[in-house]
Formats: sequence, C-alpha cells, structure tokens
Amino acid sequence: QKEVEQDPGPLSVPEGAIVSLNCTYSNSAFQYFMWYRQYSRKGPELLMYTYSSGNKEDGRFTAQVDKSSKYISLFIRDSQPSDSATYLCAMSRNSGNTPLVFGKGTRLSVIA
Amino acid sequence: DTAVSQTPKYLVTQMGNDKSIKCEQNLGHDTMYWYKQDSKKFLKIMFSYNNKELIINETVPNRFSPKSPDKAHLNLHINSLELGDSAVYFCASSRMRDKQFFGPGTRLTVL
Repeated sequence: QKEVEQDPGPLSVPEGAIVSLNCTYSNSAFQYFMWYRQYSRKGPELLMYTYSSGNKEDGRFTAQVDKSSKYISLFIRDSQPSDSATYLCAMSRNSGNTPLVFGKGTRLSVIA
Repeated sequence: DTAVSQTPKYLVTQMGNDKSIKCEQNLGHDTMYWYKQDSKKFLKIMFSYNNKELIINETVPNRFSPKSPDKAHLNLHINSLELGDSAVYFCASSRMRDKQFFGPGTRLTVL
C-alpha cells in the first residue's frame, strides 16, 4: 500500500460547482498536511497548510483533516476555469521542512 | 522578485553525458531540497540540505550528487545520464519547521 493515495482523476466540473478532492494515507505519524496546485509545466504552488486534525478556510478553499480516519480533503467553492490544474496533497511527519510525501495528484478541469 | 529559481528550464542531452542543474532561493531559507517528478507526475524527494549540510539522501543512484556552496544555492550534478533520468526536477526551500516553496522545475530529456 502506498503511503499516500490520491485519485488521479481526471475530474471535470462545470464552472461554479463545488469540487471535493481527497487523499488517504497509511502512516499515522503524519502531522502536517498540505495541498499544492500545479499548473501545466509549472512548479507546485502551496495552497493550504494545516497541522493535525481540523478545518482551515482561505477564500474559496477549505482544507479538512481527519487524522482518526487518515483522510484529508480540499474543497473548492464556486470553481473557476482558472482553477483547472493538478492538485497534489502532501504530508510530513515532523514539520514543514521534513521531506514531503506526495499523492499522485488529481487533474481538475473546470469548464466555462 | 523570483523566490526559488532554477536553471536551465529545459535540458536535452545524450545518454552518458554529465549535466548540472542550478537552484537559487532569495527567501532567506536555510533548508533546500531536490524532488523528481516522473512522467506520471509523481513527485518524490531526492535530497535535502540544511545550512549546507546533507540531511536527507533518499535511495538515489550515486550518479546524482547535490552540492550546496551556500545556504541560498543547491545544485544537482548528474553523471552518466541514462534514459530513465528523464523527468522534471524541482528545487524547493523552506525555513526550519515551515512550509516548502517550489521552483519552476527543470525538464530533463535524455536521448
């Protein structure tokens, strides 16, 4: 079993839809959870950074972490065509500067 | 005001050649990393340096040698390039116990 599992998609939604992206993981030592957005031929860009369980909201983005279920989610409200990208979940054991373990990424297309 | 920069952006070379990729960060971070993203878009850590010292070295062939001349730079030298080395290589940096920021990537193609 891979340490981090993420459905690669592709996921296609109409503009304005609510998007739900998810990852599961097997290592209970993970404490820091991140979501990165990667546009085609660009570097990953940090979207959300959370520690332990709970919710975090930033504009149209909400990150949720459920450590008991080893499950993390990213919700995008009022999705826009500019949200079309690959979304990568990442996590680490001790803190942000330990190696990140990434999911394979979910490719999202928001259709106008 | 680029935060993490890499050169070159594209690198096309023949099998057996030796090549280097350079990374620089102007964020004042003390930890830098190299990640490899394969053709299936899977990102995996290769190396991590903290204050110019190697702290993480994942299972990477010893043809790959990172070098950190100072805290702001981390270069990656690859000897005897193989077809399987074709990938996108990303540099990242962070402060201790903080978020990692990625560079734009270097797309390496080995022919």
